[in-house]
Amino acid sequence: GAVVSQHPSRVICKSGTSVKIECRSLDFQATTMFWYRQFPKQSLMLMATSNEGSKATYEQGVEKDKFLINHASLTLSTLTVTSAHPEDSSFYICSARVERGNTIYFGEGSWLTVV
Amino acid sequence: QKEVEQDPGPLSVPEGAIVSLNCTYSNSAFQYFMWYRQYSRKGPELLMYTYSSGNKEDGRFTAQVDKSSKYISLFIRDSQPSDSATYLCAMREGGSEKLVFGKGTKLTVNP
Repeated sequence: GAVVSQHPSRVICKSGTSVKIECRSLDFQATTMFWYRQFPKQSLMLMATSNEGSKATYEQGVEKDKFLINHASLTLSTLTVTSAHPEDSSFYICSARVERGNTIYFGEGSWLTVV
Repeated sequence: QKEVEQDPGPLSVPEGAIVSLNCTYSNSAFQYFMWYRQYSRKGPELLMYTYSSGNKEDGRFTAQVDKSSKYISLFIRDSQPSDSATYLCAMREGGSEKLVFGKGTKLTVNP
């Protein structure tokens, strides 16, 4: 299957700092990428949908100024958690939809711990 | 009523058993149906993808979609300990890119 890579897989940052997570589609082009958040023993919660070259569409209740999403190319989207707080600690997962396709593949996820 | 209902389990079976996982949904506009496997602390892995009603088989896995009953299933034959994971159903409407997930069923296959 197609490969979606996330980096870093784990990150610890201090409260008040910003952290960037990258999501790359390694062997296909993805016009649309998605960012999810998952709490322990819970399902995935969609945060935002990003389309290459345009602004991301955020789900209700997700602060766009706090979770900055950039989708600068067909193979890369980034999520920046700004002014992170301990309650932002979570598992963040990206996914990518194959260009002109219906299949969606997920990255391995990134564990964020804010101390 | 949630859009997608999935029994969270946990489900525990002996090695070699046939496993049946199910989801029900309420939105008749869903057309694309997927099953993902998620190991602990990892991202979901696409297992099966089905469009509209019908069956699809891939190795030990069979996915079934019954749109008239708004019910989808995943069967795992000859289950292995390595199948122990959380299984998530997901679906989306034809004109939408947004996936709606079930809560996931935690499966343990005991050797």
